[in-house]
Amino acid sequence: AQSVTQPDIHITVSEGASLELRCNYSYGATPYLFWYVQSPGQGLQLLLKYFSGDTLVQGIKGFEAEFKRSQSSFNLRKPSVHWSDAAEYFCAVELMEYGNKLVFGAGTILRVKS
Amino acid sequence: ETGVTQSPTHLIKTRGQQVTLRCSSQSGHNTVSWYQQALGQGPQFIFQYYREEENGRGNFPPRFSGLQFPNYSSELNVNALELDDSALYLCASSEDAPQEQFFGPGTRLTVL
Repeated sequence: AQSVTQPDIHITVSEGASLELRCNYSYGATPYLFWYVQSPGQGLQLLLKYFSGDTLVQGIKGFEAEFKRSQSSFNLRKPSVHWSDAAEYFCAVELMEYGNKLVFGAGTILRVKS
Repeated sequence: ETGVTQSPTHLIKTRGQQVTLRCSSQSGHNTVSWYQQALGQGPQFIFQYYREEENGRGNFPPRFSGLQFPNYSSELNVNALELDDSALYLCASSEDAPQEQFFGPGTRLTVL
């Protein structure tokens, strides 16, 4: 079955430090990949997406992600974290079968310490 | 351009009751999807509607049903509520797939 794994439930980084959030997927074909961010009590905001082409994609708020087919990974990175980046981050795969549904990972909670 | 809106924001029901949650999609978006997000988990796909027809369904029982209307609004109905139905319910709209899905702020349902 298709699945998305985010191995880190919680990550704490210092403000100004770099960040990498891991995401692995299990899917037969090349999927459409997304990273969403969710602040407490809020809906999901799209950070970036990969459909095809350049495997390094740029998103909003200074985030980027790299698609690595050989590793079935789509890790999210940011060179310098700001306190406002504290939130929960979800990786998702879009499956194009009987509609287009998103399959989400369990999420990674990012804490930023000053 | 207005975003996706959902109502109500919060809702408390008792076990066995029925509930209707509402969503207003972005204008021009033909597709609406509903997701259930239990505490501490990622969102789970419930179903999707495209031009008022069901276009995909996740692993949810038939007591979860939906409707989509021509005016870009939609409903999620849940009958015979169970305690495990307590969750944040998110709707998301999009143009024809594959496209970004735009999420609403969600409805927090508590079943007592």
